[in-house]
Amino acid sequence: EAGVTQFPSHSVIEKGQTVTLRCDPISGHDNLYWYRRVMGKEIKFLLHFVKESKQDESGMPNNRFLAERTGGTYSTLKVQPAELEDSGVYFCASSQRGAGKYNEQFFGPGTRLTVL
Amino acid sequence: GDSVTQMEGPVTLSEEAFLTINCTYTATGYPSLFWYVQYPGEGLQLLLKATKADDKGSNKGFEATYRKETTSFHLEKGSVQVSDSAVYFCALTSAQGGSEKLVFGKGTKLTVNP
Repeated sequence: EAGVTQFPSHSVIEKGQTVTLRCDPISGHDNLYWYRRVMGKEIKFLLHFVKESKQDESGMPNNRFLAERTGGTYSTLKVQPAELEDSGVYFCASSQRGAGKYNEQFFGPGTRLTVL
Repeated sequence: GDSVTQMEGPVTLSEEAFLTINCTYTATGYPSLFWYVQYPGEGLQLLLKATKADDKGSNKGFEATYRKETTSFHLEKGSVQVSDSAVYFCALTSAQGGSEKLVFGKGTKLTVNP
């Protein structure tokens, strides 16, 4: 079974440009999470989808970030326009949907975004 | 809000040495606690977990005990190997509002030398 995949693995763009990151979760996983690790700091939660609906987007830093999950399968995270402080590693994770217990999140390898 | 504090790295050990990575947390309610590991070039993998007080999570020779009285979840291994070189993240989830979002510490980079 394929794991969580992310594309691209690395993106270098200039300030003011637009970048779109993609995440393909494990097939059948309703939950999809986006996280970000800025250099030297904690991995921070950005948002959580249940199927195509946003369950929690409390971690989105500002309106330059737009996440979508059309059809409840893959997800995209667009940054427009990118700023220097957006540099970091963006992780995607997915999990099954179940009640009454923690549903293990499986992480992708991350996309390293560098904004120059 | 919820937070996790783990010891700063990097940590460098010789093979077969004893490892401790300290982790303490602040959370409302009764969080579940985790250790994730990121090997070079790979994504995060769940190493072990504990969901209630006094639970001990264990995997691959690593152990951590959920200590509610000290709000701690320290990671230990009796004899590290070169293959344990990785970045280790302590994390928690309170599963508030239906979202099991994880709150992570800053990570501790471990290097084990032969």
